[in-house]
Amino acid sequence: GENVEQHPSTLSVQEGDSAVIKCTYSDSASNYFPWYKQELGKGPQLIIDIRSNVGEKKDQRIAVTLNKTAKHFSLHITETQPEDSAVYFCAATLNQAGTALIFGKGTTLSVSS
Amino acid sequence: EPEVTQTPSHQVTQMGQEVILRCVPISNHLYFYWYRQILGQKVEFLVSFYNNEISEKSEIFDDQFSVERPDGSNFTLKIRSTKLEDSAMYFCASCDTGSPLHFGNGTRLTVT
Repeated sequence: GENVEQHPSTLSVQEGDSAVIKCTYSDSASNYFPWYKQELGKGPQLIIDIRSNVGEKKDQRIAVTLNKTAKHFSLHITETQPEDSAVYFCAATLNQAGTALIFGKGTTLSVSS
Repeated sequence: EPEVTQTPSHQVTQMGQEVILRCVPISNHLYFYWYRQILGQKVEFLVSFYNNEISEKSEIFDDQFSVERPDGSNFTLKIRSTKLEDSAMYFCASCDTGSPLHFGNGTRLTVT
């Protein structure tokens, strides 16, 4: 089955700096890769996703890149703000609907002002 | 924006007791899921449900677990005889074909 590795487990940056979180996956058949942000006491919230037919996707300060050959994908947050502080999870799955979304172990991002 | 709603937010039960966790998925969604997150750990898949039957389940989802969609709006997870290690946050999620997975805010289950 699919296995997703995520690094680093914790990341501390100064406000305004960039943050990068990296994930690798094992199943070359996986074709959908979402990123979730989890704030304390809440469920994971989707922040951006990418499909295997696209190499990069951007939404304002957030971007995701995918390297299918190497089976890794990364989340890039630019101009970080204190409200970006949360736990971020990457995930991978074969199909978006109906099959299991396999999560990485999470990265705790702390943005200090 | 439509939300996945879970009740209760916190459930405390004694070991060996049955618990039912309840979820109201987003109304036009067809795929329903339960995930579990032990404190400080990653979110783990338990089960997916489509067209009134289980689509996929993980090793965690053993005979002590069951899911049901008793009516057109609710989706429940039952744990028949709870164990201490069942203590975790349980998240319900739903999606439609082509839409991303939406999670509820979870039920914290504490087994004493």
